Amino acid sequence: DAKTTQPTSMDCAEGRAANLPCNHSTISGNEYVYWYRQIHSQGPQYIIHGLKNNETNEMASLIITEDRKSSTLILPHATLRDTAVYYCIVRGQGGSEKLVFGKGTKLTVNP
Amino acid sequence: DTAVSQTPKYLVTQMGNDKSIKCEQNLGHDTMYWYKQDSKKFLKIMFSYNNKELIINETVPNRFSPKSPDKAHLNLHINSLELGDSAVYFCASSQVRGTGELFFGEGSRLTVL
Repeated sequence: DAKTTQPTSMDCAEGRAANLPCNHSTISGNEYVYWYRQIHSQGPQYIIHGLKNNETNEMASLIITEDRKSSTLILPHATLRDTAVYYCIVRGQGGSEKLVFGKGTKLTVNP
Repeated sequence: DTAVSQTPKYLVTQMGNDKSIKCEQNLGHDTMYWYKQDSKKFLKIMFSYNNKELIINETVPNRFSPKSPDKAHLNLHINSLELGDSAVYFCASSQVRGTGELFFGEGSRLTVL
């Protein structure tokens, strides 16, 4: 079962920042927070991941609370192409660790 | 070049038939996966192979048999297809000592009539 809780859906205006929250209160010390997204009918796409520090890449920023029990994915300037289901996943980094997808958050970016 | 490629993209078949889906990755990764996404859009892991060795085997009917001829290929063979097997099957790959990022293929939509 997924170890994370996310809102079912969110809306965002084009050009504005999209902030997607995720709760992972049972995360253990060696588990990372991963974010993926799935645009309609496509394969899931990796966005970003982190352990405890905030992370930023060309796609998004990841803010992890100090207690690591929750995190927020930030898309700084959402576009229509960012409309997708966003999955927050907690996972260790070993080869036998499973990437377990929950229900995710359906983000709709509106013009 | 597509990093993780699956064939066929669409497959329509009758109940009781046997079918295969092929997956190839050109990323040099050592681990490959099969995921199933059902009509409710839940993505569930089925199998994972590391260097041709099975390392994850979820509770999947034994009608499903993965085969990894080499670390760049992971095929999925399904015997005696049932209506409930209708789904989109995604192949993915990763490097076990890398960032843990999985690269997914575009999916193979299987429809069993």
